Amino acid sequence: GAGVSQSPSNKVTEKGKDVELRCDPISGHTALYWYRQSLGQGLEFLIYFQGNSAPDKSGLPSDRFSAERTGGSVSTLTIQRTQQEDSAVYLCASSEMLADNEQFFGPGTRLTVL
Amino acid sequence: AQKVTQAQTEISVVEKEDVTLDCVYETRDTTYYLFWYKQPPSGELVFLIRRNSFDEQNEISGRYSWNFQKSTSSFNFTITASQVVDSAVYFCALRNTGFQKLVFGTGTRLLVSP
Repeated sequence: GAGVSQSPSNKVTEKGKDVELRCDPISGHTALYWYRQSLGQGLEFLIYFQGNSAPDKSGLPSDRFSAERTGGSVSTLTIQRTQQEDSAVYLCASSEMLADNEQFFGPGTRLTVL
Repeated sequence: AQKVTQAQTEISVVEKEDVTLDCVYETRDTTYYLFWYKQPPSGELVFLIRRNSFDEQNEISGRYSWNFQKSTSSFNFTITASQVVDSAVYFCALRNTGFQKLVFGTGTRLLVSP
């Protein structure tokens, strides 16, 4: 079946603009995760959704970052007033409900803030 | 605190050599999961293996094998008879029970030359 998809694959924006990144999880996966991969910080957890609620937002780096999930499916990560340090690859993953299931990752969105 | 250390930043081998990627983890929990992911040049993280803390049996899957030792908090990954297609960045990750997020190591870049 189809894997996790993310759009856009690349996004170039100017400092101070808002951006929205989209994630479509694998059908039937109730858990959805956002991670960020950057040269300086490696792979960092941002936020986790179970259904439409986010029990763990501990990785969001600032209040400029927010995410939502609707219908237990698609999720959007929004970054307001982007800064150059936000430049990174944003990865989305999904998994089945059971706690010990592996997370399947999408191809990522490469965000470049000029 | 949870932490994963992959001390090897980059390893270069010639095709058909065996290579071992090291992973050392830290956690206070007695129940946890360990993972290995592969990130080829295309960028998408590919799940390789999950191991729970109660199962210390080593696992072999084709040319891949994993050695889990709780006594040394290590979960090492060996590729036998390496191939050029094995060239990628390999990440070790930890997840504590009760938390959904993966804590990743910094990755080991493996270069396999013909």
